[in-house]
Amino acid sequence: GEDVEQSLFLSVREGDSSVINCTYTDSSSTYLYWYKQEPGAGLQLLTYIFSNMDMKQDQRLTVLLNKKDKHLSLRIADTQTGDSAIYFCAESNSGAGSYQLTFGKGTKLSVIP
Amino acid sequence: NAGVTQTPKFQVLKTGQSMTLQCAQDMNHNSMYWYRQDPGMGLRLIYYSASEGTTDKGEVPNGYNVSRLNKREFSLRLESAAPSQTSVYFCASQGETGNTIYFGEGSWLTVV
Repeated sequence: GEDVEQSLFLSVREGDSSVINCTYTDSSSTYLYWYKQEPGAGLQLLTYIFSNMDMKQDQRLTVLLNKKDKHLSLRIADTQTGDSAIYFCAESNSGAGSYQLTFGKGTKLSVIP
Repeated sequence: NAGVTQTPKFQVLKTGQSMTLQCAQDMNHNSMYWYRQDPGMGLRLIYYSASEGTTDKGEVPNGYNVSRLNKREFSLRLESAAPSQTSVYFCASQGETGNTIYFGEGSWLTVV
């Protein structure tokens, strides 16, 4: 079945850029997503990219998609302590009328003041 | 705008007890989902409902039942709780723009 892989931990200094990487196996993915989860909370949609795009920028966030290598990345510029959270990569595929999302296991970002 | 609301937030059950997790969304979405989140396992799909009146199994359906009461509500029932069902449960609904999924705040369930 489809699989989404991402590294489990990332540590950066406040003010630096963070880059969180993700690889996926489903070549028919329609959309790819980044979600953020803070402790004790649900998953918050950060951004998503359509599979025919290769880049999307939204304020401090830049998403890069390499469809050939099935590689997705999230860059957070000027990382702040409030960015400390778990970041989930996800991809969507159609099944029985719903577009189900397959999630990676999450990357825990720790920001050092 | 409440989005996706799920109750209860916290629950402790004894092995063998039953309970129902409630979920409601006010975004007029067709598709709704129940996930569980466990350390080191990420999010796993339990059941989903593509539209009112339909439900389908996800990756880990055993020990659960669901009911799509109407377009707004999608409940998850544990008939006979087991310690392996200790987890955080998330309800979600799916919008049509980008097929994005919106999550509730989660329900922390402990089975002792």
